[in-house]
Amino acid sequence: GDSVTQMEGPVTLSEEAFLTINCTYTATGYPSLFWYVQYPGEGLQLLLKATKADDKGSNKGFEATYRKETTSFHLEKGSVQVSDSAVYFCALSGLGGGYQKVTFGIGTKLQVIP
Amino acid sequence: GAVVSQHPSRVICKSGTSVKIECRSLDFQATTMFWYRQFPKQSLMLMATSNEGSKATYEQGVEKDKFLINHASLTLSTLTVTSAHPEDSSFYICSARVRGTGNTGELFFGEGSRLTVL
Repeated sequence: GDSVTQMEGPVTLSEEAFLTINCTYTATGYPSLFWYVQYPGEGLQLLLKATKADDKGSNKGFEATYRKETTSFHLEKGSVQVSDSAVYFCALSGLGGGYQKVTFGIGTKLQVIP
Repeated sequence: GAVVSQHPSRVICKSGTSVKIECRSLDFQATTMFWYRQFPKQSLMLMATSNEGSKATYEQGVEKDKFLINHASLTLSTLTVTSAHPEDSSFYICSARVRGTGNTGELFFGEGSRLTVL
């Protein structure tokens, strides 16, 4: 079945550091890939997405490229800010079993210190 | 943007009773809604996919007789935890997709419901 493997946190970085959060997936067919973010005390919201191979999703300085050959969708940001502190979830949307399902990774907590 | 409202946000009940959680899409129609359970170490476990007008599709290991899902309209899905026990205590989150966006559409999430079973 569909699955998402995401690096466990927490990840602690200093402000302006480079961020990478790894995400790999297993799925049949051609899934869509997403990164969702959960800020402290808030619900999940979409950060970015890519719907086909080699697509790059970007938002708020974050980027992720859909790599079918390595089944990966790693999240990157060149210079993190304290306000980026949150939990980041990689997710896969597929049609496994003939119905829509969206599978999430375990989530990676990012803490950015001044 | 699209808004999903989930109610109640917190509920405490006695063991053996049933609890209903509602998930409403306020400004859009949602053919498909998803129910998740979020565990203390933050992972989201998909419980079931709810489709308007048809039976929900449950993930392996999720008891459909215990977690009853009804998606009677394009804006409302309900999750009923029947005969709740302390091990059912958790944070339940619903999400919905805008009708017609299919597999590529983003999910819009409710605020979540904290269930505590005494």
